[in-house]
Amino acid sequence: QSALTQPPSASGSPGQSVTISCTGTSSDVGAYNYVSWYQQHPGKVPKLMIYEVGNRPSGVPDRFSGSKSGNTASLTVSGLQAEDEADYYCSSLAGRTVIFGGGTKLTVL
Amino acid sequence: EVQLLDSGGGWVQPGGSLRLSCAASGFDFSATAMTWVRQAPGKGLEWVSAISPRGENVYYADSVRGRFTISRDNARNTVYLQMYSLRPEDAAIYYCAKNHYATVAYSYWGQGTLVTVSS
Repeated sequence: QSALTQPPSASGSPGQSVTISCTGTSSDVGAYNYVSWYQQHPGKVPKLMIYEVGNRPSGVPDRFSGSKSGNTASLTVSGLQAEDEADYYCSSLAGRTVIFGGGTKLTVL
Repeated sequence: EVQLLDSGGGWVQPGGSLRLSCAASGFDFSATAMTWVRQAPGKGLEWVSAISPRGENVYYADSVRGRFTISRDNARNTVYLQMYSLRPEDAAIYYCAKNHYATVAYSYWGQGTLVTVSS
């Protein structure tokens, strides 16, 4: 299966909101509500930010939210902060496998 | 505290084999699905394989099916990834990850173990 499609980069100023898209197909993102988002700072392990489309694990700020429409999922980061600058990856169940997006580098200007 | 300790990485020639291990603690390992995810240097995440809590169901990415075998020992709280017929494109940091409850999200990750495949 092909990777989910994410924009290579996104940016915003502190305090602004930014949305990162994750486009799949009717066999993955469109078929299941099992979309997750991960944040990865350079040299660090990924951190789960959103699971099952729009659920936040405990400890994740409510500035992070997720949604889905059809074959496209989205991660919105509101009230951008400097520490949000990182790579973000989406993933989705795809039958008996899981596929990740190519990643989006979020820059806080 | 949940801890995942990955080990077993190293350098291997193309066609060689390695076995990765992930020792878990701090949660009910025998009730938790476990997953391996890899990341080539400077690249994105790639899902590799997963195993159900009792080990009766295993899943593989197309890129490794037939060459990699995932297994677990619930008495030792350890999950393994046996890798055969390694290729240069298998070179990556391999992370084991704990599934978040009954979802396919991964709430805890090991520190990763580096696999290098070259001649």
